[in-house]
Parts: sequence; C-alpha cells; structure tokens
Amino acid sequence: AQSVTQLGSHVSVSEGALVLLRCNYSSSVPPYLFWYVQYPNQGLQLLLKYTSAATLVKGINGFEAEFKKSETSFHLTKPSAHMSDAAEYFCAVSDGNFGNEKLTFGTGTRLTIIP
Amino acid sequence: EPEVTQTPSHQVTQMGQEVILRCVPISNHLYFYWYRQILGQKVEFLVSFYNNEISEKSEIFDDQFSVERPDGSNFTLKIRSTKLEDSAMYFCASSEGGQGTDTQYFGPGTRLTVL
Repeated sequence: AQSVTQLGSHVSVSEGALVLLRCNYSSSVPPYLFWYVQYPNQGLQLLLKYTSAATLVKGINGFEAEFKKSETSFHLTKPSAHMSDAAEYFCAVSDGNFGNEKLTFGTGTRLTIIP
Repeated sequence: EPEVTQTPSHQVTQMGQEVILRCVPISNHLYFYWYRQILGQKVEFLVSFYNNEISEKSEIFDDQFSVERPDGSNFTLKIRSTKLEDSAMYFCASSEGGQGTDTQYFGPGTRLTVL
C-alpha cells in the first residue's frame, strides 16, 4: 500500500523567506507524486506533479519540488514566500496503475506567512 | 477555465436521513471520484467511477453509500442513512483519463453536518 507522510502540520515563514514543506512517500511501485493547495473555503488545486520525467518539477506560483528516490522524498519549495501563499498544502501519491488511479493524501501542512 | 462544481456548499441533516451530494464534473472528463475530509484529518478516497460503474471503492464506502451519473452532466453521492461520523467535507473530482499521470480536478467541496 502506498502512503505519504508530511512532516509538520503547521509551518510559519516570514514574507520573502524560503518555503520548505516536507513530504516522504512509501510505494511498492514507482510512484506518481502530487502537491495540491487548498485556500480557505476552496477546493484542492494542483500545484505540480511528478510523473517519472524530470526529477525537478516546476509548478504554478513559483513552487517547485524535487523527486529524490534515494530519500523517498518529494519536498515542496519556493524561494521567496508571499502573503498569498498562506494556505494548506497536501502531498499525494498515486501508483499509476490504469484504472487504479486513486490519490492517497498526506495529513496536510498549514502554511502561515508572517508579515 | 472549466471547473468542477458541487452543490450544496453546506448541508445540515439529522442522523438517519438520506442525503444526496451533487457534482458537475468537467465536461470532457471520463473519470469521476469522491473523497472526504473529516475535520482535522487527511483527505480520504471513497470511490472512483468510470463508464457508468464503480472502478474502485475504499473500505469506507459501505452499503450506505452509492454513486450515480443520472445524466450526462451530474455525478452524485448518496448516503442512505447518515451517521454522526459521516460529518465531513466531501470533494468531487474528475479527470480526463484514468492513468496515474492524469490530473484530478477537485470541486470546492460540500460540508456535511450530521446532527
């Protein structure tokens, strides 16, 4: 069974500082990995996804994530935090089998930006 | 930009009552999903649906739950006899294809409160 673990349920960074949100995965097959963001009172929006092409994946709003197989990690980063980045971030994994494409989510990390 | 819509945004019901949560997936998508998020917990997969039948369901999706695509646009989740523990945010999602690389687009969710 596949799973993801997000370290840190709450992360606070100052505006302009580096954002680092951690995600480690467990999967018996090469995984597909996703980061979603949820703004207050909204649905989940895809930030980026890893689908076994380039290990460094660039997403929307200046976010990127690097797939590291040796560390079973897919951490999300942004060089300079903006107030509008305040939201909840979810890491998710899919094993990619056709017809079995359900997403397994982590518990989420709430990002707070300090002015 | 096309989006997944869900109605109602908030549903309050009495224990034992039936509820139907409605979703309109993106029009050219063929795969549909329901997830739920109990307050403070992770987003959990409930069911996936393709070609008018269930592709996969989780252990949460017991006989009290059913899904239907009654026409060419709506996708519904019915809970026959609600329990207190069914209180959660329910998300509908859709994707164009069924592979793990296909992005699932989420709706804004329906918050179900069972009293």
